Amino acid sequence: EPEVTQTPSHQVTQMGQEVILRCVPISNHLYFYWYRQILGQKVEFLVSFYNNEISEKSEIFDDQFSVERPDGSNFTLKIRSTKLEDSAMYFCASSERAGTQPQHFGDGTRLSIL
Amino acid sequence: QKEVEQNSGPLSVPEGAIASLNCTYSDRGSQSFFWYRQYSGKSPELIMFIYSNGDKEDGRFTAQLNKASQYVSLLIRDSQPSDSATYLCAVTGAGSYQLTFGKGTKLSVIP
Repeated sequence: EPEVTQTPSHQVTQMGQEVILRCVPISNHLYFYWYRQILGQKVEFLVSFYNNEISEKSEIFDDQFSVERPDGSNFTLKIRSTKLEDSAMYFCASSERAGTQPQHFGDGTRLSIL
Repeated sequence: QKEVEQNSGPLSVPEGAIASLNCTYSDRGSQSFFWYRQYSGKSPELIMFIYSNGDKEDGRFTAQLNKASQYVSLLIRDSQPSDSATYLCAVTGAGSYQLTFGKGTKLSVIP
């Protein structure tokens, strides 16, 4: 069964550094998403992406964050000037269409900021 | 502010019993409703989705939706120890792509 692939599985970074989290969505899916889950808290929406542009973003997704689809398969989340509170699991998801279609999640990247 | 509320549990049921998980949502315009299962330290795994009022069955799982009451539930029949996990209710609003998640209900199935 097709799946969403995320790399790395775990990223440890010094505070203030930049990180890039990578995702390969399911191949026939057109909508891509990033979510995060701080330990012990609920899953929170960050951003959705379609047709090479952001469709929707949350209040969390400020100027510190950016997304990009650099080629036909990868979808990346860049976090600049990382802070301690950015430590979380980051999940990439994809869906065939928006809204009513289920979103399928990757295994996540655990980001630890020291 | 769109909210999705779930009883955090833990909900403990004996093996073979029916587990009933509930969720309420605040946005009356919500259109699509999803149940995900999340094992500790893992990612959300899609279990069921439902769009229309009524019941939807898939194997041991039944999702129930009542839009008038802004209520969605998940029934797990013949519960197994492997069903022990946190169950997340998630909702999309009208014209929105984002999933709004509840905090999840932790289910323990006791052998």
